[in-house]
Amino acid sequence: AQSVSQHNHHVILSEAASLELGCNYSYGGTVNLFWYVQYPGQHLQLLLKYFSGDPLVKGIKGFEAEFIKSKFSFNLRKPSVQWSDTAEYFCAVTTDGAGNNRKLIWGLGTSLAVNP
Amino acid sequence: ETGVTQSPTHLIKTRGQQVTLRCSSQSGHNTVSWYQQALGQGPQFIFQYYREEENGRGNFPPRFSGLQFPNYSSELNVNALELDDSALYLCASSPDRAGGYTFGSGTRLTVV
Repeated sequence: AQSVSQHNHHVILSEAASLELGCNYSYGGTVNLFWYVQYPGQHLQLLLKYFSGDPLVKGIKGFEAEFIKSKFSFNLRKPSVQWSDTAEYFCAVTTDGAGNNRKLIWGLGTSLAVNP
Repeated sequence: ETGVTQSPTHLIKTRGQQVTLRCSSQSGHNTVSWYQQALGQGPQFIFQYYREEENGRGNFPPRFSGLQFPNYSSELNVNALELDDSALYLCASSPDRAGGYTFGSGTRLTVV
């Protein structure tokens, strides 16, 4: 069965530190990859997505992610975090199929706390 | 404001009761999915509708059912509520089936 693993459940950083959140998926076919963010008390928001093309994807708020097909990974990065980046980050995948395969399969999330 | 509106925002129900949660999507968003997010967990896929037909379902029992309407609104119905049904229920819509979803703010359901 398809699954998504996020390696870090809780991350604590100081402002200006660099961030990398790991995400690996298990599926051998074509995938669409997403990172969503959930700020405290707010709804899920799409940070960035990869469907095809350049494996380095740039999203909102200075985030980027790199799709490495050989490693089944889609790690999220930001060179310099801010206090306002404190949130829950979710990696998600859809497989390129019809019907049920279009569902988003989610990781358990990574809670990021940025200290000012 | 995301363009996806869910109602109500909070709801308290008694075990055994039935509940209907509502979602209004953006015009042109033919795909709608419903997710259950328990505290401290990632969202779990309940089901997906495309052009008013269910075209995908997660590991939820039949007492979880849904409808999608031509006006881009949808419903999630849960019968015979159980305590474990307490969670945040999220509606997400997309103009296609590839998965670029926009999420609503969710309905927080508490079953007592």
